[in-house]
Parts: sequence; structure tokens; C-alpha cells
Amino acid sequence: AQSVTQPDIHITVSEGASLELRCNYSYGATPYLFWYVQSPGQGLQLLLKYFSGDTLVQGIKGFEAEFKRSQSSFNLRKPSVHWSDAAEYFCAVGEGLTGGGNKLTFGTGTQLKVEL
Amino acid sequence: GAGVSQSPSNKVTEKGKDVELRCDPISGHTALYWYRQSLGQGLEFLIYFQGNSAPDKSGLPSDRFSAERTGGSVSTLTIQRTQQEDSAVYLCASSLKTRSYEQYFGPGTRLTVT
Repeated sequence: AQSVTQPDIHITVSEGASLELRCNYSYGATPYLFWYVQSPGQGLQLLLKYFSGDTLVQGIKGFEAEFKRSQSSFNLRKPSVHWSDAAEYFCAVGEGLTGGGNKLTFGTGTQLKVEL
Repeated sequence: GAGVSQSPSNKVTEKGKDVELRCDPISGHTALYWYRQSLGQGLEFLIYFQGNSAPDKSGLPSDRFSAERTGGSVSTLTIQRTQQEDSAVYLCASSLKTRSYEQYFGPGTRLTVT
């Protein structure tokens, strides 16, 4: 079964600093990869996704992620963090289901704190 | 447009009682998913609907959990004889059949079993 590892449970950065959140996956085939963000009391919002093609993908809110097959990684980056980016971030891998749907398997999340 | 809505937002129940959680997906989204977010298990898939049928129930943790969907729209997740380990946030997501990886999540229902 596929799995996703987010090694950092908590990360604190200063506003304006760059950010990189790590994600490693285990999946036999070409993975479909995602980053979601969850603010307190909110549902999950899709930041970006990778299916194929260009390994550097752009998302919303200025985020980007790079797929590296050799390292089984899909790290999320942002060049300059804003205080409003404080939230929990989840990496996920998608898997096809019986009947045509797709299940997301999530990592345990990284809680981002932004210091002003 | 309207997103995925869930009700209630919070539910406190006594151990042994039955609860029903409701999900109203985005209009036109034929695929619907239930996930559970708990401290011990993280975010985990429960069940998938395509239209009114549930071709994949592999994530349901026990036979106390069931779900249905009517009219290809609203879905209800029912937990019978609730246990304390059922305490979690239950998230619903929906998607178009043709873009099934783009799942839009609701705000969740926080269930507390006392």
C-alpha cells in the first residue's frame, strides 16, 4: 500500500522567510501527488497537484512543489511566507478505486507557525 | 458557487448512541467521499460514492459504520452504538467524475463521544 511521510511535525519561520515542507511517498507506479492546506476549523483546500509532465508545479497562494522521482519526494516551497500562511499542510498521494473514484492517502501533516 | 456543506458542525453524543452526519456536495459532483481525521490515525479514507452507489467501502472501520446517498446528492454517514474511539472530525469531499482527483472538502463535523 502506498504511504506518505511528512517528517516535520512543526515548523516555525519568520514572516518573509522562505519555506520548504518535506514530503516523501511510497508508491509503485507513477504517483498522483497533492498538497492541501487546512486552517483552523476549516476543511482542506487544494494547493497544487502533480499528475505528469513538468516536475515543478505551481499552485495557489504563491506555492510551488517539485516532484523528484529519484528521491520519492514532493516538497512544497514558498519564497516568502506571509503570516496568513500559518496553518497545517498535508501531502497526499492518490490511488484509483473500484468504480472509478480516487482515494487520497495523506501524510500526518506539518503545522506551520509564522513569527511576525 | 456553494461549496461542500456538512452538518452539524459539532456533535457531542454519549457512548452507545447512534449519530447521523450529513454531507451536501457541490451541485453536479457525482463523486462523493467520506474521510475521518483523528489524532491517532490522521486523515483516512472511509467510503466512496459514485452517484447513489458505493463501489468502495474499504475504509469503513467496522460494521457500526454505514453510509448512504440519495438522489445522487446528499449523503449521510451513520455510526451506530458510538464508541469513544469514534471521536474525530468527519470530512466529506466531492468531485466531478471526470476530475476525480480534484476533491473539494467540506468544513467537517467534529464528533465527540463522551
